[in-house]
Amino acid sequence: TQLLEQSPQFLSIQEGENLTVYCNSSSVFSSLQWYRQEPGEGPVLLVTVVTGGEVKKLKRLTFQFGDARKDSSLHITAAQPGDTGLYLCAGARAGGTSYGKLTFGQGTILTVHP
Amino acid sequence: DAGVIQSPRHEVTEMGQEVTLRCKPISGHDYLFWYRQTMMRGLELLIYFNNNVPIDDSGMPEDRFSAKMPNASFSTLKIQPSEPRDSAVYFCATSPRTEIYGYTFGSGTRLTVV
Repeated sequence: TQLLEQSPQFLSIQEGENLTVYCNSSSVFSSLQWYRQEPGEGPVLLVTVVTGGEVKKLKRLTFQFGDARKDSSLHITAAQPGDTGLYLCAGARAGGTSYGKLTFGQGTILTVHP
Repeated sequence: DAGVIQSPRHEVTEMGQEVTLRCKPISGHDYLFWYRQTMMRGLELLIYFNNNVPIDDSGMPEDRFSAKMPNASFSTLKIQPSEPRDSAVYFCATSPRTEIYGYTFGSGTRLTVV
């Protein structure tokens, strides 16, 4: 059972289009992070959200944490070929013995065509 | 800062051989994580350390896998004997305190067991 469900798994769009990637769970998270991974490299942190309802913007990327801290979304405006990559959400469970470690979703492979 | 340094970048070995993967963390990062990434299972946490002490090794597949962190600047992941199903990309990641600060990943070691 996947703790964090990402959708869609694959996304192929044209340059200039908008898109949204979703990350959902039945569990509550103390924080949630988004990473981007390019072929042959490790994931790179984009953002951390910690407060329910929080919205963060990073240029054309908008990240939102759900009010109940169980879900998150990543919205990209006017996608560019340079946005191509694997997008991963990762959550830190609230409390318990999982302190200090993240659980990753399966990822969304985004391809932006020129 | 050179980031998290992993070696080797690629490893091809025969089934039954011992494999040792190495990681040099970022200085001052208290947490070190070993992940395995495959297309089928995504990123899986194998083991993590806090201040050189193993905290959670519940993700280690079986006794063939072992990890050590003899000091704050070095960690190894060993597979003995290796099997074809161990083929994957293995990532080392470090974090300065807790998950809220995000992980810095190395570039990974692509392991192929033939």
